[in-house]
Amino acid sequence: DTEVTQTPKHLVMGMTNKKSLKCEQHMGHRAMYWYKQKAKKPPELMFVYSYEKLSINESVPSRFSPECPNSSLLNLHLHALQPEDSALYLCASSQDTPPSTGEQYFGPGTRLTVT
Amino acid sequence: GENVEQHPSTLSVQEGDSAVIKCTYSDSASNYFPWYKQELGKRPQLIIDIRSNVGEKKDQRIAVTLNKTAKHFSLHITETQPEDSAVYFCAASPQTGANNLFFGTGTRLTVIP
Repeated sequence: DTEVTQTPKHLVMGMTNKKSLKCEQHMGHRAMYWYKQKAKKPPELMFVYSYEKLSINESVPSRFSPECPNSSLLNLHLHALQPEDSALYLCASSQDTPPSTGEQYFGPGTRLTVT
Repeated sequence: GENVEQHPSTLSVQEGDSAVIKCTYSDSASNYFPWYKQELGKRPQLIIDIRSNVGEKKDQRIAVTLNKTAKHFSLHITETQPEDSAVYFCAASPQTGANNLFFGTGTRLTVIP
């Protein structure tokens, strides 16, 4: 399996809702990432997990809460979001053991709309 | 932190012509430079990458060159085809492993049949 999968593909939620985005990979990668991408912009890093531990948090608001239950799964829990949080949320993974290649493989993304 | 600039922001070429996209970076510690292609509504896909110990890499119609002294790298697409139309992002990473990819602002390439 050489793919990163994400569910759901689309999500519409109100500002008081709680929802979760899910990401899965079976490539044996030990680093997983969440990116946020607004229209016509490059992906922006949110979080990095390395060996199931949070290693980078790019000053993301606490209404976004990541979780890495195991080496294959990555979740992003959403609560009390704002309309400006509407974006494409991309998950990626990479091998993180020497000799690491640094190649990051992206999932198809979840298009989130906050109403 | 790293700052990656990418030019041009849009590029139109006739089918069969070549396309060149250029990026510069600021952090001399960066040593991994991937290029991603993103079609409308789809995921970014890695198309080629280069590391700081290599000056040029080629894969069929796609090539990437790296000038570490000048801190710039370029993507070259030859014999362009309509299916090459997409947004292309360059990126730079200070180290391998679990680390940030600093993306350029993207180039929208249109190949005119």
